[in-house]
Amino acid sequence: KNQVEQSPQSLIILEGKNCTLQCNYTVSPFSNLRWYKQDTGRGPVSLTIMTFSENTKSNGRYTATLDADTKQSSLHITASQLSDSASYICVVRDTGGFKTIFGAGTRLFVKA
Amino acid sequence: DAGVIQSPRHEVTEMGQEVTLRCKPISGHDYLFWYRQTMMRGLELLIYFNNNVPIDDSGMPEDRFSAKMPNASFSTLKIQPSEPRDSAVYFCASRKLAGADEQYFGPGTRLTVT
Repeated sequence: KNQVEQSPQSLIILEGKNCTLQCNYTVSPFSNLRWYKQDTGRGPVSLTIMTFSENTKSNGRYTATLDADTKQSSLHITASQLSDSASYICVVRDTGGFKTIFGAGTRLFVKA
Repeated sequence: DAGVIQSPRHEVTEMGQEVTLRCKPISGHDYLFWYRQTMMRGLELLIYFNNNVPIDDSGMPEDRFSAKMPNASFSTLKIQPSEPRDSAVYFCASRKLAGADEQYFGPGTRLTVT
């Protein structure tokens, strides 16, 4: 069964600290993995997309990693800011794009 | 471009009433998606269109739900009759190309059925 599991479910960190969010998937055959940021009351916005051959991709303070062998991805946030408080959703698509599986998301709270 | 536009932003209705949600995708995008998001189930794909044609509606929960896309710039999601368990945020998203191309989400419609 195609699944995407994210951990932790929620996370509280102090402003300026780093954090790492995890995503494990069983989607096969794998095409790409995307991390979205969803602010409260708004639609998700794409942060990064990674294909099978990519190991790391950065977008500012956000760095995503992908291990296609173990089917794991992580999103690392450096020097967190209050504006990073949001839900982060991992989305995996199979080859051909016929199936898109959404993770339940990690809710991140950054406190001053 | 104004992005994906959804209306209304909030809808409160009584059980049994018909609800119509509206979406205007980004101009030039060939794909349109309808999602539902709840705390319990997260984001769920309901249906998507390619060039105004419904391609996969396997996520539509029941016959009470229907979606149409009469032209490239407009789509509706209708619930008739509505039930309290339909309360959720409904997102519309559009995408230009197939495969790895990014989906752009609208702001969502928060539906409350009492």
